[in-house]
Amino acid sequence: DQQVKQNSPSLSVQEGRISILNCDYTNSMFDYFLWYKKYPAEGPTFLISISSIKDKNEDGRFTVFLNKSAKHLSLHIVPSQPGDSAVYFCAAAPRGGAQKLVFGQGTRLTINP
Amino acid sequence: GAVVSQHPSWVICKSGTSVKIECRSLDFQATTMFWYRQFPKQSLMLMATSNEGSKATYEQGVEKDKFLINHASLTLSTLTVTSAHPEDSSFYICSAPTGGHNEQFFGPGTRLTVL
Repeated sequence: DQQVKQNSPSLSVQEGRISILNCDYTNSMFDYFLWYKKYPAEGPTFLISISSIKDKNEDGRFTVFLNKSAKHLSLHIVPSQPGDSAVYFCAAAPRGGAQKLVFGQGTRLTINP
Repeated sequence: GAVVSQHPSWVICKSGTSVKIECRSLDFQATTMFWYRQFPKQSLMLMATSNEGSKATYEQGVEKDKFLINHASLTLSTLTVTSAHPEDSSFYICSAPTGGHNEQFFGPGTRLTVL
């Protein structure tokens, strides 16, 4: 069973516009959520995170929103740049989970000039 | 930020042979490291948690006798895929936390192809 789901395998956005990547989870024990960016043949790099006590966290062009009642989070990138083209994974950590992360399937974001 | 390296970056081996993959934390000590596997167009799946000085803990469905993990020092964990089969072909990634949920750094990954 997939506890963290990214239902959109791919997303194409025009440069300068907003990119919105979505993630849903099923396990109410998750209390920390992260977004990672991954290029081919490389390991993921950390982007931004949010604790379950918050509903929004912003870092430059990246904002993560958390809707606990809907068990849904999203990553907004604005403005989108060509260098943002990559696969984005959301991940969740359970309460007391000692940093064990559960990843979604990933969404391939392509930014078109 | 912290750096995690993996060696080799890619390896091709014959069925039945064993392959060792190293994961090193270069500028920090890691009492715990995580090993993940990623199949094409799929998520990263946690295989096991490597613990320095003690046995690794494996996720459900991961054969501990097939995927041997040794956390020999505070900066090195190794994953050995024993008696490799073509279905073991995958992208193996390690990570090391430096503290806190978001301070987990990933290695660049190792592409294993078993012929």
